[in-house]
Amino acid sequence: DAGITQSPRYKITETGRQVTLMCHQTWSHSYMFWYRQDLGHGLRLIYYSAAADITDKGEVPDGYVVSRSKTENFPLTLESATRSQTSVYFCASSQTSPETQYFGPGTRLLVL
Amino acid sequence: SQQGEEDPQALSIQEGENATMNCSYKTSINNLQWYRQNSGRGLVHLILIRSNEREKHSGRLRVTLDTSKKSSSLLITASRAADTASYFCATDYNTDKLIFGTGTRLQVFP
Repeated sequence: DAGITQSPRYKITETGRQVTLMCHQTWSHSYMFWYRQDLGHGLRLIYYSAAADITDKGEVPDGYVVSRSKTENFPLTLESATRSQTSVYFCASSQTSPETQYFGPGTRLLVL
Repeated sequence: SQQGEEDPQALSIQEGENATMNCSYKTSINNLQWYRQNSGRGLVHLILIRSNEREKHSGRLRVTLDTSKKSSSLLITASRAADTASYFCATDYNTDKLIFGTGTRLQVFP
């Protein structure tokens, strides 16, 4: 029972590079979410998806792109990374929303 | 921003004491949830309380909700060192997404 996994767990990149963070869940949950966590801001929603091929913006979507071609995967792409995107990124899933969300272990991203 | 606020931002207690943290939010909700985050890890769901409920229990956790004051509290009784973590409330504001607060950092000393 793998649950929800994120890869990579740690990533260092340079300003201007494209980076993709992966999220995979084994529960066939309909909803998936991407958050970023920064000191002083708590968790902020970047994008979410209610089902395959349905995505919607959250609170801080600028500079990010998502897709959801399969129910179990929800990749997050930083098209041209900036230093302000240095953060810890969490993926979560839930069967319905707004109900209990299950979080992955996070990806720590450093943009130099 | 619709982000709720937890109070206090940080709390230090001894093992065996009770810990109370509060959450305030801004507009009407369907439900309010509490999550725990151990250092460097993902969040773990603790309790969900719906807008028509006033109190809910789970083991040593007690959550109350006062919709007239737009506030909730999380009480952890007989705290243990293992309860050391950050605690977040999250509200839905009648949408299909959650807005998380900035969290309360709880330190329980043995």
